[in-house]
Amino acid sequence: DIQMTQSPPSLSASVGDRVTITCRAGQSISTYLNWYQQKSGIAPKLLIYAASSLQSGVPSRFSGSGSGTDFTLTISNLQPEDFATYYCQQSYSSPPTFGGGTKVDIK
Amino acid sequence: QVQLQESGPGLVKPSETLSLTCTVSGASIRSFYWAWIRQPPGKGLEWIGYIYYSGLTNNNPSLKSRVTISLDTSKNQFSLKLSSVTAADTAVYYCVTGPYYFANWGQGTLVSVSP
Repeated sequence: DIQMTQSPPSLSASVGDRVTITCRAGQSISTYLNWYQQKSGIAPKLLIYAASSLQSGVPSRFSGSGSGTDFTLTISNLQPEDFATYYCQQSYSSPPTFGGGTKVDIK
Repeated sequence: QVQLQESGPGLVKPSETLSLTCTVSGASIRSFYWAWIRQPPGKGLEWIGYIYYSGLTNNNPSLKSRVTISLDTSKNQFSLKLSSVTAADTAVYYCVTGPYYFANWGQGTLVSVSP
């Protein structure tokens, strides 16, 4: 299985901040990397697929980048509704695996 | 817009079989790959497996041979069976469109394994 490691595990930020979350794969996964947002008690929501493609309906303040083993999710101009846990996930090989999550909370 | 809804018992006894059904609306069961993902309370996400209407399936080796995923085209549903459950199988179970990235999710259902 491909191990996915996210950092930091948690962070505190203020509304309007620019936030960057990092995801590292245990081997090269090209751009087969997806990002999800999960709010407490609710199913995850796909934000970014194929490393940098924005899922339909997702605000443009979310962006993704990277290839190979290192990826980032950036939230520019953080909004109150963005406080949540974010997960990366590789779809390069089976089984698909997730990172441990990054919780973004209010400073 | 694809909508998914999980249903099934919320409590299963150890060593028994967990059975869940996902009802699909807004799309034909022949249109997508269909998968299951679970999340133990307070923990991360684990992919369980997927099925395609042709009958093609793929399961997570970590669950060994305990997983069976099937579908019922007449009811536009697909199902999960997980045998020989233990407390470690306690989780919120989600049905999703797949196979390897997950754009549509059900609301999830909590299944607890307890005597």
